[in-house]
Amino acid sequence: QQPVQSPQAVILREGEDAVINCSSSKALYSVHWYRQKHGEAPVFLMILLKGGEQKGHEKISASFNEKKQQSSLYLTASQLSYSGTYFCGTEGGSNYKLTFGKGTLLTVNP
Amino acid sequence: DAGITQSPRHKVTETGTPVTLRCHQTENHRYMYWYRQDPGHGLRLIHYSYGVKDTDKGEVSDGYSVSRSKTEDFLLTLESATSSQTSVYFCAIRGLGMNTEAFFGQGTRLTVV
Repeated sequence: QQPVQSPQAVILREGEDAVINCSSSKALYSVHWYRQKHGEAPVFLMILLKGGEQKGHEKISASFNEKKQQSSLYLTASQLSYSGTYFCGTEGGSNYKLTFGKGTLLTVNP
Repeated sequence: DAGITQSPRHKVTETGTPVTLRCHQTENHRYMYWYRQDPGHGLRLIHYSYGVKDTDKGEVSDGYSVSRSKTEDFLLTLESATSSQTSVYFCAIRGLGMNTEAFFGQGTRLTVV
């Protein structure tokens, strides 16, 4: 079952902030975040694990609420290079079955 | 960059014909995945593998089969291609450990006419 992402799309001006949300109806073991630019492959941003471990790029921040089965990705002081589609992926257990949401299209304008 | 290669990169095929897509990795990663990407649907998991000859179904596995006879290769077969299988297919690989990220191949654009 795909996790649900919101919003579906967001438009920002350079320097503005954005939050992308991801939720699941099932208990989560981990949440992954990836960004995909048009015509390219998705690229890893961050992993958040049950218990608090996080791994990812320095300039990216995210949160994981295990009880609510929700995660949020925080993009601050956005740059033009942040434009793309953001996907959250979730795992319901330690079985490595990684399921992605439908994506959030982020557009950053000058 | 992670060593992952998909082939072919583009393919046009006729309805009813079998098609095989290949994912090859040089990283010796245990886990391999096949996703399809369609507008409005995001990335949907077709099948994944957790070792040689060990595979499991994803959300949209009907009409697809997979095989993994070697660590480095994960094959996706459309047994009898239909127009609804026109899509961009991504393979991903991942190492051992729940804190490991997935690395994606460049994708295969498949058109079924």
